[in-house]
Amino acid sequence: QVTLRESGPALVKPTQTLTLTCTFSGFSLSTSGMCVSWIRQPPGKALEWLALIDWDDDKYYSTSLKTRLTISKDTSKNQVVLTMTNMDPVDTATYYCARIHLSGLATYYFDYWGQGTLVTVSS
Amino acid sequence: DIQMTQSPSSLSASVGDRVTITCQASQDISNYLNWYQQKPGKAPKLLIYDASNLETGVPSRFSGSGSGTDFTFTISSLQPEDIATYYCQQYDNLPPGFTFGPGTKVDIK
Repeated sequence: QVTLRESGPALVKPTQTLTLTCTFSGFSLSTSGMCVSWIRQPPGKALEWLALIDWDDDKYYSTSLKTRLTISKDTSKNQVVLTMTNMDPVDTATYYCARIHLSGLATYYFDYWGQGTLVTVSS
Repeated sequence: DIQMTQSPSSLSASVGDRVTITCQASQDISNYLNWYQQKPGKAPKLLIYDASNLETGVPSRFSGSGSGTDFTFTISSLQPEDIATYYCQQYDNLPPGFTFGPGTKVDIK
């Protein structure tokens, strides 16, 4: 059974760095084809993809946010960590982690999601 | 970056109605298009991948079609449990990148 769970602070101040952890089970990020992504959703708004890390430790970022994001993994702990620097109130959102399992064809879809964690940016 | 649009932004239909949502990409994305359902307070759920493939366990009243820049998502017979917001999502695979549409909120009339 695949599960993912996000954890991190509920409240951060402007200019601070946000660190979120995705702890997962039911798969290994060392298995070929496995990827974990971060996606966020401001209240009442649409989803926005942030970053992806794959089984080979390759990392990919949203073009608009890449200067502020860092994604990493700890395979032994089954965790993926996202840091976002210089937080601003517009970054207030629910942050989700989600899995991609690439099969033989390079088809990318998010098949399992965490429940999300709401992060509010306010002084 | 590829931009995604969806229409309508919201709709209201009766139980049993056929519901259609369209999604348009700003450039040709082949069939690299997925559809998700999101109920209030919940994470999105994958329904359709690669434009027309039904995810395992998803009811057959959901379907998708299209390629290139124009895509369609259909609920053949709307059920009360289908009340949700539906998002299309395109992907690039070299390198990986993803863009979601703005969403379509579906209500019961």
